[in-house]
Amino acid sequence: GAGVSQSPSNKVTEKGKDVELRCDPISGHTALYWYRQSLGQGLEFLIYFQGNSAPDKSGLPSDRFSAERTGGSVSTLTIQRTQQEDSAVYLCASSFTYTGYNSPLHFGNGTRLTVT
Amino acid sequence: AQTVTQSQPEMSVQEAETVTLSCTYDTSESDYYLFWYKQPPSRQMILVIRQEAYKQQNATENRFSVNFQKAAKSFSLKISDSQLGDAAMYFCAYSSGGGADGLTFGKGTHLIIQP
Repeated sequence: GAGVSQSPSNKVTEKGKDVELRCDPISGHTALYWYRQSLGQGLEFLIYFQGNSAPDKSGLPSDRFSAERTGGSVSTLTIQRTQQEDSAVYLCASSFTYTGYNSPLHFGNGTRLTVT
Repeated sequence: AQTVTQSQPEMSVQEAETVTLSCTYDTSESDYYLFWYKQPPSRQMILVIRQEAYKQQNATENRFSVNFQKAAKSFSLKISDSQLGDAAMYFCAYSSGGGADGLTFGKGTHLIIQP
């Protein structure tokens, strides 16, 4: 009965390094979402997976960001050549099907990324 | 594109009192879904209450209720008998149900509970 699991919980990295953030959704949830939450801001939608497919990648902030999902389960968000403006909390969420009343999003605890 | 506006960056209420958090949204859709999420310091977003736009009856979950005004595109959250554990960021969110756009969130309201 585990919820959405994200790792690491916190990550400090130097500017220019690559980082990989991991999300393990609730078992059986086909939809998976990545959001970014900057300090004092709401949640910015990054990307959505239905199964292993991401129909629209236009929400990713730049071409340094990429995401994949394998086996309809675990997803990784990779940020290459990190910049200080990438510092934020990255939240992952999953739902049974696409978001709707009967399929609300379940969120993980997020990864706090700090780029120094 | 849909937008969600929360005009109150911060609200404060005495324990056991009632507080109302405001949310307005903009959409051209006729059917959609609205949500309130709570984010305590643990960072996990927790679903508080949800509403389907075609249902006129306001949703209620224990001490939490909404005032949904479809014509005014308003979706406020009322918390009755406020408790210390209610202290958190509260986010209003909109979904068209289409999936690919997920939820559109407001910027949040920081709720402080005074003991």
